[in-house]
This record gives sequence, C-alpha cells and structure tokens, in this order.
Amino acid sequence: DAKTTQPNSMESNEEEPVHLPCNHSTISGTDYIHWYRQLPSQGPEYVIHGLTSNVNNRMASLAIAEDRKSSTLILHRATLRDAAVYYCILRRGFQGAQKLVFGQGTRLTINP
Amino acid sequence: DTGVSQNPRHKITKRGQNVTFRCDPISEHNRLYWYRQTLGQGPEFLTYFQNEAQLEKSRLLSDRFSAERPKGSFSTLEIQRTEQGDSAMYLCASSLNRWPYEQYFGPGTRLTVT
Repeated sequence: DAKTTQPNSMESNEEEPVHLPCNHSTISGTDYIHWYRQLPSQGPEYVIHGLTSNVNNRMASLAIAEDRKSSTLILHRATLRDAAVYYCILRRGFQGAQKLVFGQGTRLTINP
Repeated sequence: DTGVSQNPRHKITKRGQNVTFRCDPISEHNRLYWYRQTLGQGPEFLTYFQNEAQLEKSRLLSDRFSAERPKGSFSTLEIQRTEQGDSAMYLCASSLNRWPYEQYFGPGTRLTVT
C-alpha cells in the first residue's frame, strides 16, 4: 500500500482557514485520496475524497497537486468543533471495498 | 438515530476472561468492518464482511479473536482468554457495496483488561 505522511499536529485559530497537508509520493494512478477525521471520543467520519481534480463539499475542500504527490485538506473557516485528528488515506479505486489503512494523522487544535 | 451502534460502550474484564462485543450497522449497508485503536494511534483493520461472508482477516486477528455476522445484519466480535494487550477501542464501521464505499463508524467499545 502506498503510504502517506502528515504532520503530527497543527494549531489554528477559530474562524480562520486551515490547510492540512499530506504527502503521498508513491501514489499510483488508480489511488484515490480520502480524508477522514476523528473527533474526541468518537469513531472516524468521512470528510472528502478525490482523484485528480480539486473537490469541494459542505465540510471541506481538497486541493490535489498536479503530480498527485501531495494534497491539502482545506477547512475554510475553522470552528472549535473542527478540533480532531485528520487522516489522509489512499484507496485503490478498482479494488472495491477494501479496508482503510490509517496512519497517525494530524491532530488539529483550534484556539478560540 | 440510524447510525452504526455498538454495545457495550465500555467493558472492563479480568485477564483470561472472554468478552463479546456487538455492532449494529446502518440497515441498508451490506459491508461491515472491525478495527482496533490503541491510544495515540490510528485505527487498525481487523476484519470485514460482505453480508454474512467474512472476506478478509488481518494478521492482528489471532486465534483468540472470532467475528461473526450470521444473518448479514449485526455482527459480534469475541475475544477469548483476554490479555492486557487486548485493551483498546474496538470500532465497527459499515458501508454500501458501491464506490466510494464510504465507511460510517460507530462510537466504539472501549475494552480494559485488568
């Protein structure tokens, strides 16, 4: 499985944008980039996924580098409820419903 | 609430005892996954089912662990002869059988082995 590298922790202020980086230099052409997050005392929850183009949904935006070796999850206006561990995960599209392989993720702290 | 539910939420047991956890997935989801998470680490995959068939098991799932999903609905995870190293959060997730196979997680069962 291709691996991802994320900073262990990041800190931001409430109502400011947050950019969470992820490096995946060994990504293959069929790997999708997925992001999940885990709020305190809860199970992980899906945030967003993409292949090549930038993606937006109600929770966040995903910016994917042209060479696909890195990506950035963007929270446009962080709130205290966004404090969580964010996981960047590669999933091979054609292999179907395979397991999620979590790394250690980035622990995001939001200051009021 | 129609999300994934897990019972019990907490379990304290003595070393050597057997424990069983239950997971009720979202009703229309035919894929069900079990993960284990220790403090400060990301979840680790244990096993998954499509309907009642167990399709993959991790090497983490030793002979003391067994999972079932007898009617393709709820699932149970049993740990026999528990050890202190089994102390962890056990997470269940479910998904539809179509891309992007987005997994919905339950709140987990926290196991403490004393």
